[in-house]
Amino acid sequence: QVQLEGPGPGLLKPSETLSLTCSVTGPSIKSGYYWGWIRQPPGKGLEWIATVYHHGNTNYNSSLKSRAIISIDTSKSQFSLRLTSLTAADTAIYYCARLIGNSYVDVWSQGTLVTVSS
Amino acid sequence: SYELTQPVSVSVALGQTARITCGGDSIENYSVHWHRQMPGQAPVLVIYRDNSRPPGIPERFSGSNSGNTATLTITRVHGGDEGIYYCQLWDINSVVFGGGTTLTVL
Repeated sequence: QVQLEGPGPGLLKPSETLSLTCSVTGPSIKSGYYWGWIRQPPGKGLEWIATVYHHGNTNYNSSLKSRAIISIDTSKSQFSLRLTSLTAADTAIYYCARLIGNSYVDVWSQGTLVTVSS
Repeated sequence: SYELTQPVSVSVALGQTARITCGGDSIENYSVHWHRQMPGQAPVLVIYRDNSRPPGIPERFSGSNSGNTATLTITRVHGGDEGIYYCQLWDINSVVFGGGTTLTVL
């Protein structure tokens, strides 16, 4: 399925960059699924960040104003998220996910809490 | 950008039927999916493509989509059905989530 690599950064400072990686097990990362990142501020709802297909096609939430970069490494069966210029508003639980046909999330990872604070 | 509107909360008596709505402009033209999130856990898909159930989801869960409203229906509710339910769809290269509805079983 999908699994976040490592414990996550936990606490980051404003202006720093968040880097997260998700590993894919089971069906190949090239097997026709899309892969994405979703976040959830504490006590709030879900917010989609970005999606990538195995050949590199990407889609982004426009509200993140180019701060987000999603990438995929098919040789390692991993996909990653970089989110730059962090602010307190980026404090959230981050999930990686598998999507069917760039339409719906069918598999979610466990989340990792990222807190942005000085 | 497309917006989805859900009631903040829905309460239903034990054993009765819960209906959670998801409103959007001509939402019937989209495939709507539903996810349930229990406290402290990741969401789980419970309905996809308006009214299909993933493996392991009971037949008590069903969905419909017409006009400007999609609806998740849960029959014979019990305490284990409590949680926050999110509707979701895909619109013009974007994944869109509703704000979530907290289901409480009385």
